[in-house]
Amino acid sequence: AQKVTQAQTEISVVEKEDVTLDCVYETRDTTYYLFWYKQPPSGELVFLIRRNSFDEQNEISGRYSWNFQKSTSSFNFTITASQVVDSAVYFCALSWSGAGSYQLTFGKGTKLSVIP
Amino acid sequence: NAGVTQTPKFQVLKTGQSMTLQCAQDMNHEYMSWYRQDPGMGLRLIHYSVGAGITDQGEVPNGYNVSRSTTEDFPLRLLSAAPSQTSVYFCASNPDRDAYNEQFFGPGTRLTVL
Repeated sequence: AQKVTQAQTEISVVEKEDVTLDCVYETRDTTYYLFWYKQPPSGELVFLIRRNSFDEQNEISGRYSWNFQKSTSSFNFTITASQVVDSAVYFCALSWSGAGSYQLTFGKGTKLSVIP
Repeated sequence: NAGVTQTPKFQVLKTGQSMTLQCAQDMNHEYMSWYRQDPGMGLRLIHYSVGAGITDQGEVPNGYNVSRSTTEDFPLRLLSAAPSQTSVYFCASNPDRDAYNEQFFGPGTRLTVL
């Protein structure tokens, strides 16, 4: 069965601190994709990044970076020098293909509060 | 492009009432889906469709019906609303059934069942 675990329910940091959001996944498929989405207080869901199972390169985009490690089945998300605008719920998700379609499973989310 | 639109944004129902949540996309996407979001539960898949005329159940389908008569529209029907269906509902679409695709989400519908 496919599963995504975000063990951190809520995190609070002071502005300018670095913070890492953990994501651990389970899958038997060899081809799969991992995603991060952001849900700010306004409620919409915003796509942040996608990574496929064959690409373990880390990715950096401004203050955001992602660390994908197949050996530990983890796809962690780090925000450097956090800002108040980073306050949101962050979801990690796993997708895979099967039976002519595909399925997408979300973790339960981590609520990040950045305190000024 | 308007992307994925959902109506209404807010709705209050009484137990036993029925209603339809509307979802439309103008991107000619093949794949559409409905999720519900409950506190501490993340997003859970209710139903999905891989094309017009084809629908299937997700993780939590009970109490909901869907149909897909056109590529653009994917309404979600609550047959007899229950307080357990109080939730935020998101519609999403993506170009096809490839697992590579990111989901394009609508703005959500907040439903309260009294």
